[in-house]
Amino acid sequence: DQQVKQNSPSLSVQEGRISILNCDYTNSMFDYFLWYKKYPAEGPTFLISISSIKDKNEDGRFTVFLNKSAKHLSLHIVPSQPGDSAVYFCAASDDSNYQLIWGAGTKLIIKP
Amino acid sequence: DADVTQTPRNRITKTGKRIMLECSQTKGHDRMYWYRQDPGLGLRLIYYSFDVKDINKGEISDGYSVSRQAQAKFSLSLESAIPNQTALYFCATSGGARDIQYFGAGTRLSVL
Repeated sequence: DQQVKQNSPSLSVQEGRISILNCDYTNSMFDYFLWYKKYPAEGPTFLISISSIKDKNEDGRFTVFLNKSAKHLSLHIVPSQPGDSAVYFCAASDDSNYQLIWGAGTKLIIKP
Repeated sequence: DADVTQTPRNRITKTGKRIMLECSQTKGHDRMYWYRQDPGLGLRLIYYSFDVKDINKGEISDGYSVSRQAQAKFSLSLESAIPNQTALYFCATSGGARDIQYFGAGTRLSVL
């Protein structure tokens, strides 16, 4: 049973518009969440994280929102750029062993 | 030069063969990880090591073994490869429990 779910395998967005990637989790013990970005033939690279004591974290064009009651987080990219085309993974951990549990990823395609 | 280097990048082998995937890092991190990624699934943890003398099983360790030869080197072995071990394998490192994990570019393994 997947504890971290990214229900959209792919998403297509016009360049310059907002991209919103979603992630749901089932384990209420998760207290730390991360987004990673992956280009083809490369490993995932860290993008942004959020602790459960916050509901928002912002870094430039990237903002992550956390809704603990809904067990839902989202990544907003504004404005979307061609270089943002990649697979985005959501991951979560709790403070018992800190192992990361990963979602299946969402492929984001930015259209010119 | 890459901070986390995986060799080989691609490998085709036959059922029953023993193979080793190697990972080396120049980041000076104590923690190292091996993951596999399958289509439609997130990364799943195979083994992790907190230092040279500390090796731990992850979510899917059956059929795999590891060796931490030095702080900088962490190898994954498939003692007798089987077709359902065909996957993309990633090595990662981190400096601490909640620190960012840095990934290698991956090894694409096919078991025929």
